[in-house]
Amino acid sequence: AQSVTQPDIHITVSEGASLELRCNYSYGATPYLFWYVQSPGQGLQLLLKYFSGDTLVQGIKGFEAEFKRSQSSFNLRKPSVHWSDAAEYFCAVGAGGYQKVTFGTGTKLQVIP
Amino acid sequence: NAGVTQTPKFRILKIGQSMTLQCTQDMNHNYMYWYRQDPGMGLKLIYYSVGAGITDKGEVPNGYNVSRSTTEDFPLRLELAAPSQTSVYFCASSSPGAGTEAFFGQGTRLTVV
Repeated sequence: AQSVTQPDIHITVSEGASLELRCNYSYGATPYLFWYVQSPGQGLQLLLKYFSGDTLVQGIKGFEAEFKRSQSSFNLRKPSVHWSDAAEYFCAVGAGGYQKVTFGTGTKLQVIP
Repeated sequence: NAGVTQTPKFRILKIGQSMTLQCTQDMNHNYMYWYRQDPGMGLKLIYYSVGAGITDKGEVPNGYNVSRSTTEDFPLRLELAAPSQTSVYFCASSSPGAGTEAFFGQGTRLTVV
């Protein structure tokens, strides 16, 4: 069965510092991998996704993620965090429609001045 | 550009009451989904639909029912509300196929007392 692990429940970073959110997955074949962001009181919004090709994927809002097959990881990064990036971030894995997509438990990002 | 609209945003129910959570999308998406989000648990799929007249159970369907009479609408019915159904509910829609983006509503925060 497929699964997603986001080992960090909460992360606090200073504004302007770099960010890396971890995601590890388990899947039998090459999966689709997603990162979604949920701002307070809002629904989820897609940041980026990977299926094949270049293992470094660029997304919206200056985010990127790198697929590492050997480590079963799909970590999200941003070089310089802004206060507006404070939100909860969800990694997801699967293929086919979203009825076959598994979401991680989320990492809540706090940004301090 | 409305996207996915959920009503109500907040609701308090007494144990044993029933209610319907409304969800409408204006993107002509065939696929629609209902999730519940509990703290530290990520998103769990309740029901989904791949088109008008077609619905299927997700991971946690007990205590819920759905219908899909039109492409636009996908209401979620709670019968005999229980405290375990206290959660935040999200409706989402997507086009068919792997790797497409899911668009989420803003959520309904339901408390059962």
